[in-house]
Amino acid sequence: EPEVTQTPSHQVTQMGQEVILRCVPISNHLYFYWYRQILGQKVEFLVSFYNNEISEKSEIFDDQFSVERPDGSNFTLKIRSTKLEDSAMYFCASSTDRAGWGTGELFFGEGSRLTVL
Amino acid sequence: TQLLEQSPQFLSIQEGENLTVYCNSSSVFSSLQWYRQEPGEGPVLLVTVVTGGEVKKLKRLTFQFGDARKDSSLHITAAQPGDTGLYLCAGGVLTGGGNKLTFGTGTQLKVEL
Repeated sequence: EPEVTQTPSHQVTQMGQEVILRCVPISNHLYFYWYRQILGQKVEFLVSFYNNEISEKSEIFDDQFSVERPDGSNFTLKIRSTKLEDSAMYFCASSTDRAGWGTGELFFGEGSRLTVL
Repeated sequence: TQLLEQSPQFLSIQEGENLTVYCNSSSVFSSLQWYRQEPGEGPVLLVTVVTGGEVKKLKRLTFQFGDARKDSSLHITAAQPGDTGLYLCAGGVLTGGGNKLTFGTGTQLKVEL
């Protein structure tokens, strides 16, 4: 069964360092997302990406964050200068193989745990 | 800002009991998705409901979308220890850029022998 894969599963970094989280979405999906979940809190939307550009972003997704689809398979989230409060699980998701509406079911990866010290 | 409130937040029951989890909002959603999340893992999709009043069954799990597409419920019949986990509802708003999900606060279910 197709699945979304994420690497690394866990990354520990020092405050102020750059971090890149990688995702391989389901191969024929067209829409890609990043969500995050701070320990003990609910899953929060960060950004959606379609047709090689950001389609929507939340207020959390400030200038320190960027996303990229560098090739036909990877989807990355970069945090330029990490802060303590960036510590969280980051989930990549993808949806639908059809442009347009569909049911929009999102399929999530296992997550990347980021710990900022 | 769209909010989804889930209740109860925690539920501990005995094997064989029935339970219902509620997901409520003042906002209308294009779809409502239910996920189950294990510790340290990503949410796993259980079901998607898209039509007001829709009912879907997945073995012992019954999902319902409210007529006004603002609320949903998950009913589990004859709960088993394997049902233990965190259940999340997520309301979707479809745009040309995809499906933006707003997640509920979660219901932590524990089923004991």
